[in-house]
Amino acid sequence: LAKTTQPISMDSYEGQEVNITCSHNNIATNDYITWYQQFPSQGPRFIIQGYKTKVTNEVASLFIPADRKSSTLSLPRVSLSDTAVYYCLVGDPDTGRRALTFGSGTRLQVQP
Amino acid sequence: GAVVSQHPSWVICKSGTSVKIECRSLDFQATTMFWYRQFPKQSLMLMATSNEGSKATYEQGVEKDKFLINHASLTLSTLTVTSAHPEDSSFYICSANRADSNQPQHFGDGTRLSIL
Repeated sequence: LAKTTQPISMDSYEGQEVNITCSHNNIATNDYITWYQQFPSQGPRFIIQGYKTKVTNEVASLFIPADRKSSTLSLPRVSLSDTAVYYCLVGDPDTGRRALTFGSGTRLQVQP
Repeated sequence: GAVVSQHPSWVICKSGTSVKIECRSLDFQATTMFWYRQFPKQSLMLMATSNEGSKATYEQGVEKDKFLINHASLTLSTLTVTSAHPEDSSFYICSANRADSNQPQHFGDGTRLSIL
């Protein structure tokens, strides 16, 4: 499984856009990139998934360059409730073992 | 709404007792479920893969006789921590895949286990 590297922590203020970049240099051809959000004492919650270029949903955007060796999760106009740990995972959804290796994650702290 | 339900959400028990944690997929069948453990301020660590109708696959360093996994139906997997000790205190989380799609994993809300 491809290893991922993310910043350990980030700080932001309410209303700002936050971009969290994840490196996955040895991503395989069939791998998808998936981001999860985790609040204390809760299970991870799916945010967004993509394969290439740009994916957008109601909560975030995911930017993936052509070489797919990195990806950037973009959270528009964060609020205090976005304070959480964000995990980037890489894996092949068709193998039955889907993105199971969690890296250290990025601890985002949003200040008022 | 939640698609994976975990029960109980919190349990405290004495050292030496066994504790069972349930993981249910609510509106889909899951031939495979996964069990993770998470210590404070750390990431999730995969413990084992639960396979419906067959033996679970354990990750290196996880004692299969200590952490018993049963996946007797397509919607239920159980993790039993046998003869629990204080060092087993942790946050246990399960997840499941829909068997017929490539959608990402859905996670339960976890079980906080505290062994006194």
